[in-house]
Amino acid sequence: DAGITQSPRHKVTETGTPVTLRCHQTENHRYMYWYRQDPGHGLRLIHYSYGVKDTDKGEVSDGYSVSRSKTEDFLLTLESATSSQTSVYFCAISEPGEDTEAFFGQGTRLTVV
Amino acid sequence: LAKTTQPISMDSYEGQEVNITCSHNNIATNDYITWYQQFPSQGPRFIIQGYKTKVTNEVASLFIPADRKSSTLSLPRVSLSDTAVYYCHPRDDKIIFGKGTRLHILP
Repeated sequence: DAGITQSPRHKVTETGTPVTLRCHQTENHRYMYWYRQDPGHGLRLIHYSYGVKDTDKGEVSDGYSVSRSKTEDFLLTLESATSSQTSVYFCAISEPGEDTEAFFGQGTRLTVV
Repeated sequence: LAKTTQPISMDSYEGQEVNITCSHNNIATNDYITWYQQFPSQGPRFIIQGYKTKVTNEVASLFIPADRKSSTLSLPRVSLSDTAVYYCHPRDDKIIFGKGTRLHILP
């Protein structure tokens, strides 16, 4: 399995508090991604990074920010968590190219109460 | 970005061949077509990828017609453990998925 670690794996937080999820890789892949997954919606891209300090928005970026200060870490921050951000969050990594595959982490289950 | 359309769900029986078709009318010239499988409570994992014609590996086959506007994932002789959600994805940097096909294998 690709070396991707998401932390924490589970978190319960209160509405209005900031939350940071971490994705750590040991594969030295250039691209990193954050998704959320909710029943009936499949996987939706939040933000992605195509290099250190290079990030871009995905489909559902409102309410989320990201940072990538080094190759191996990609942080997802909810500045002020809301109940609508209760979800399962997945991180993924890949190399650039039309024929490369993405590797996914095990997910973080976040509950905002 | 190419938008994908897949059946929302499919049922099949153990031992049968299952074909899941995905349409991607606006696929870019250089995009490969990639399929992923996702089990409950796990992240998706890569199954197979192709550019045109037919690709086969130990898990599945992928059929892509000449116009590349669709692709068909073929799972031979499915078992209960093939119950999962299957996503197709024309490979681009953003990796945006559709809602996938929920495949349910019955005994």
